[in-house]
Parts: sequence; structure tokens; C-alpha cells
Amino acid sequence: QPVLTQSSSASASLGSSVKLTCTLSSGHSSYIIAWHQQQPGKAPRYLMKLEGSGSYNKGSGVPDRFSGSSSGADRYLTISNLQSEDEADYYCETWDSKGVFGTGTKVTVL
Amino acid sequence: EVQLVESGGGLIQPGGSLRLSCAASGFTVSSNYMSWVRQAPGKGLEWVSVIYSGGSTYYADSVKGRFTISRDNSKNTLYLQMNSLRAEDTAVYYCARDRPALIWGQGTLVTVSS
Repeated sequence: QPVLTQSSSASASLGSSVKLTCTLSSGHSSYIIAWHQQQPGKAPRYLMKLEGSGSYNKGSGVPDRFSGSSSGADRYLTISNLQSEDEADYYCETWDSKGVFGTGTKVTVL
Repeated sequence: EVQLVESGGGLIQPGGSLRLSCAASGFTVSSNYMSWVRQAPGKGLEWVSVIYSGGSTYYADSVKGRFTISRDNSKNTLYLQMNSLRAEDTAVYYCARDRPALIWGQGTLVTVSS
């Protein structure tokens, strides 16, 4: 069963960029992951599916400011031109027979 | 419009049972992976269970033997039967479609307390 590791928090100034990392456990570096956003008091929202090649597919309505990339076991979510509404928790997800979520990264917009 | 609406949450005593429902619209439940994910107060997302389109089911170790995922094709609804509930099962329960979870419901709160 894969394990996903995320840092607990990140912060950046309004209009700048922030890059979040989700690391797959040993032996699972080829796994596809997904990124989800959860704004305060709301249900999670699917952002994108991200492959080990770095190819990603975004959900409907997800702004162009959100992009994904990969390097080895690391999967990244980059938010450019950070907006106040981007202040949220971000979770990565993967799966084999069962599902797995990372512990989440809280993004603060300064 | 593709939508998931959960219901059935509430306050229940430890050891009790509860059945959550997730009514789907805009698509067919039986043709998709359908999952339950929960979030304890102030905590992160925790995967609970999945039912494949073929009917196979899987559970997190924390709920295996106590929770049962199922679906009613005639009602286009997903269920989670929760037995032997514990305080640590207190959470908002979300249903979700697909792997990864492309569509999420709004959640229903389950509180296990005496």
C-alpha cells in the first residue's frame, strides 16, 4: 500500500507562486496521483490527475494558474499568481485496491 | 447535472449503527468506482471504502468488519452501513465518484458520543 507524504504548511504572498510536494513511498514512484483543494468549511474539490511523466489533466473549471509536474517519486502542484481564494488545504490522493490520501498541506496567502 | 447528495448522518451512541446514503444524479452509480471518504474534526481526509463497478469492495483497516459499502441500482444510490460505532468514527463522511475522486458530495456529519 503506497504512502503519501506532504509538508504541513506553505505560505506565499498574494500574486506570487507556491509549489507543493507530494512524495510517494519507496516502490510506488510510478503511481498516478490526484490533487484536491479544500477551502475552509467546504467539501474537497478535484483539481487534477498527475502522472509520473509529468502529464496532467485538470478538472472542469480549474484555473490555468494551477499546474502539475513530477520528478521521480515527487509530484508537484504549482499555484501561480496566488489569489486569496487559493488559501485552502491541498491533499494528494493515490490508490491501488484501496485509496490513500496524504496528510494535506495548508496554504496561507500573505 | 452530475451531483452527489449524502444523508443519514447524526448523533449516535457508541456501539450503535447508522446507514449513510449518497444519492447520485446525472450518471449511473453502478457504472463507476464509488467511494466513501471521511474527515474527523480538524483533521485530514481518510479513505474509508470503495465499491468497483464490478461489485468488488475494499475497506480501510480501521473500519473493516464494521462498515459495509453497497449500492441500490434501482435508486441510483450508494450506501455505507456503519455498525459498532466508536468515538473515533466521528467525522464528516463524503461520497465520491471515480478514482481519483472527480466528483464529491457535500458531506454528512456523524457524531458518535454518549
